[in-house]
Amino acid sequence: GNSVTQMEGPVTLSEEAFLTINCTYTATGYPSLFWYVQYPGEGLQLLLKATKADDKGSNKGFEATYRKETTSFHLEKGSVQVSDSAVYFCALSEPLSTDKLIFGTGTRLQVFP
Amino acid sequence: GAVVSQHPSWVICKSGTSVKIECRSLDFQATTMFWYRQFPKQSLMLMATSNEGSKATYEQGVEKDKFLINHASLTLSTLTVTSAHPEDSSFYICSASYGQINYGYTFGSGTRLTVV
Repeated sequence: GNSVTQMEGPVTLSEEAFLTINCTYTATGYPSLFWYVQYPGEGLQLLLKATKADDKGSNKGFEATYRKETTSFHLEKGSVQVSDSAVYFCALSEPLSTDKLIFGTGTRLQVFP
Repeated sequence: GAVVSQHPSWVICKSGTSVKIECRSLDFQATTMFWYRQFPKQSLMLMATSNEGSKATYEQGVEKDKFLINHASLTLSTLTVTSAHPEDSSFYICSASYGQINYGYTFGSGTRLTVV
């Protein structure tokens, strides 16, 4: 079945460091890919998305490129801030289905000043 | 746009009682809403897909008689946890899709349920 695999956290960085959170997926067909962010005690917010191969999603300095050849959608940011501390979820929407989202296990990011 | 409001944000109830959680789409019509459950430091597990005007579709292992879902209008879906037990304590999140398929999903802020 379709699935999403994320690197385990927590990821601990100093402010202004470079961030990469790996995400790979398994899917039949052509899913859309998403990154969501969850701040403590809150629901999920869409961070960025890509709907087809080679698309790059970007928002708030974060980027991720839909790589079909490696089935990956790694999240990157050039310079993290303390306010970026949160849990990040990679997800795919199952193609040809009723819009179901499949989530990875989440990666906690902790940024220290 | 595309805002989903979830209420209450937290609730404490006694074992054996029922709790209703509401999920409203504020500025769009949501024919499909989703209910997730999240355990501490874990990912979101889809519980059911709620379709306006029809019965919800439950994921394998989710008791439909315990987690009652009603989607009576295009802007409101409710999840009722019946005869709650401490093991039902969790963070429940709803979401709705808007626009065309894969256009986007918006999530409620979640409800933390504690059963004592």
